[in-house]
Amino acid sequence: LAKTTQPISMDSYEGQEVNITCSHNNIATNDYITWYQQFPSQGPRFIIQGYKTKVTNEVASLFIPADRKSSTLSLPRVSLSDTAVYYCLEVKTGANNLFFGTGTRLTVIP
Amino acid sequence: DSGVTQTPKHLITATGQRVTLRCSPRSGDLSVYWYQQSLDQGLQFLIQYYNGEERAKGNILERFSAQQFPDLHSELNLSSLELGDSALYFCASSVKGNYGYTFGSGTRLTVV
Repeated sequence: LAKTTQPISMDSYEGQEVNITCSHNNIATNDYITWYQQFPSQGPRFIIQGYKTKVTNEVASLFIPADRKSSTLSLPRVSLSDTAVYYCLEVKTGANNLFFGTGTRLTVIP
Repeated sequence: DSGVTQTPKHLITATGQRVTLRCSPRSGDLSVYWYQQSLDQGLQFLIQYYNGEERAKGNILERFSAQQFPDLHSELNLSSLELGDSALYFCASSVKGNYGYTFGSGTRLTVV
């Protein structure tokens, strides 16, 4: 049973900012919210993680509201190479595995 | 290069056969995880090893087994192969079950 809910697919034009939102209706107090990116025929790659408020790194920003019932991954000015599947996960520190849902397939259009 | 090495990259074998997939974790990582990704099932967790010991099991079939050796590399053994076992098999490693999993580029298994 999927723990998170996110859109199956999204399209965006090059140069646009893309926001992918994930629902975390049953997130536990000690869960972190983590996002992974997966290109075709490659393993998932860690993008960003947060617990509350906003986290930013060189690749993306992650916004988490105070109630932590949702999270939004923001990709600034996407390019064709950002076309990939993006997964949101709820992860306990020291967890023995990561549960991947269906992810959001982002297609960047020229 | 993620630092996690998986071999072979591609494998084609017949039904009923047995294969071994190999994974070398990133230097310093003690945990190894195996995942299966097929078109209709998505990424499925199979099993985790930490410093040579099995720590967690997911949806791993009895025909499949794994181990982690003293040098921390891991092998996933798949036997009595069926057409439905065709998938990408990924290995990931982490320092100690922390969130920063690093995945390898996978082994694509095709059973014919």
